[in-house]
Amino acid sequence: GQSLEQPSEVTAVEGAIVQINCTYQTSGFYGLSWYQQHDGGAPTFLSYNALDGLEETGRFSSFLSRSDSYGYLLLQELQMKDSASYFCAVRDGGRGSTLGRLYFGRGTQLTVWP
Amino acid sequence: GAGVSQSPSNKVTEKGKDVELRCDPISGHTALYWYRQSLGQGLEFLIYFQGNSAPDKSGLPSDRFSAERTGGSVSTLTIQRTQQEDSAVYLCASSLRSERYDYNEQFFGPGTRLTVL
Repeated sequence: GQSLEQPSEVTAVEGAIVQINCTYQTSGFYGLSWYQQHDGGAPTFLSYNALDGLEETGRFSSFLSRSDSYGYLLLQELQMKDSASYFCAVRDGGRGSTLGRLYFGRGTQLTVWP
Repeated sequence: GAGVSQSPSNKVTEKGKDVELRCDPISGHTALYWYRQSLGQGLEFLIYFQGNSAPDKSGLPSDRFSAERTGGSVSTLTIQRTQQEDSAVYLCASSLRSERYDYNEQFFGPGTRLTVL
């Protein structure tokens, strides 16, 4: 079956850097994406990696190593508004799965302290 | 333009009753998804519609759950004979078509919070 592992909680102070790791085990793989969800809000897209390496978007970066079935989201210059849940999600596309289907991890609750 | 909208925002029902949840995707998005999120949990895939293709229903937890998409736009998720374990937030998302090597992000609606008493 499919499984994604990420830490349940991370805490940090404003201005710090935090890394949220995600390891996955899926029958197929077409990319790893990250979504942010504030309490009571809808998930919003942050980044997507289909190939190995680092993708940078402002204060956020995402990394993928397909050989290690591993990725991470790096948040720099943390701000209070970054306090939210962060989910990694895999496009499986493997046997019995369509390319549109995403498998989500359980999410990492990030708390940023002043 | 408008984002994904869902209605109702909250639904309280009694065990055994049927409920219908509605999703209006972003205009022009051919792909539509339903997810379920229980308290403190990740998103659980339910069903995926892509254009006129047969939907991917592999995530529906039981035959009490069904969904349809009329005219390639609005979708309705129906839960029959609701159970307490159906209580969750039901999220709808839409996107442009995702091809094999071309990912299109999913845009989520605000969700419907379903409470089964």
